[in-house]
Amino acid sequence: TAGITQAPTSQILAAGRSMTLRCTQDMRHNAMYWYRQDLGLGLRLIHYSNTAGTTGKGEVPDGYSVSRANTDDFPLTLASAVPSQTSVYFCASSDTSGGPNEQFFGPGTRLTVL
Amino acid sequence: GQNIDQPTEMTATEGAIVQINCTYQTSGFNGLFWYQQHAGEAPTFLSYNVLDGLEEKGRFSSFLSRSKGYSYLLLKELQMKDSASYLCAVRDSNYQLIWGAGTKLIIKP
Repeated sequence: TAGITQAPTSQILAAGRSMTLRCTQDMRHNAMYWYRQDLGLGLRLIHYSNTAGTTGKGEVPDGYSVSRANTDDFPLTLASAVPSQTSVYFCASSDTSGGPNEQFFGPGTRLTVL
Repeated sequence: GQNIDQPTEMTATEGAIVQINCTYQTSGFNGLFWYQQHAGEAPTFLSYNVLDGLEEKGRFSSFLSRSKGYSYLLLKELQMKDSASYLCAVRDSNYQLIWGAGTKLIIKP
């Protein structure tokens, strides 16, 4: 199985432009997450979704939006990119029905905003 | 506020043992996770502790003391492939993960 895929792998974006980062999982996990990872900082949660049709704000949601129309897909949109959004973005998913509910991560999208 | 502390970098020798510490202060506690992240790659799950004590999984063990807000990851028989960053994360009262900045482990021959 593919697990979690993200697209694109990397992108250079002009400030002020919009962009959607794609995330798809084939594990039928109910919960999905978007994180950003910056040098010297821990992973920071941007938005999450506990189940299809619901979303919630994480620690750093400003400038980002998400949707969860179905179980598999969880796109992240930057409406008007700013240089401070330069980062590596990871999508993750987990099955919260029991057990440790560990999160599985996609390969990441490296975004540079100029 | 919520805080996860772990050393920024550690160096160890191939074949040796290394202990990576993690201390935490969070709003609630619903488990502690350790992840491994090789440079340029995604984090991958290593271990989970929710009760006090030691969890052993092959060459890797993880310990938790909830009363002290403390955990460590113990890596035995170090191999060059263990060179990576090790991330400590705590699941808080909202069932969200709070992440430390990670410990970069350098293995020398």
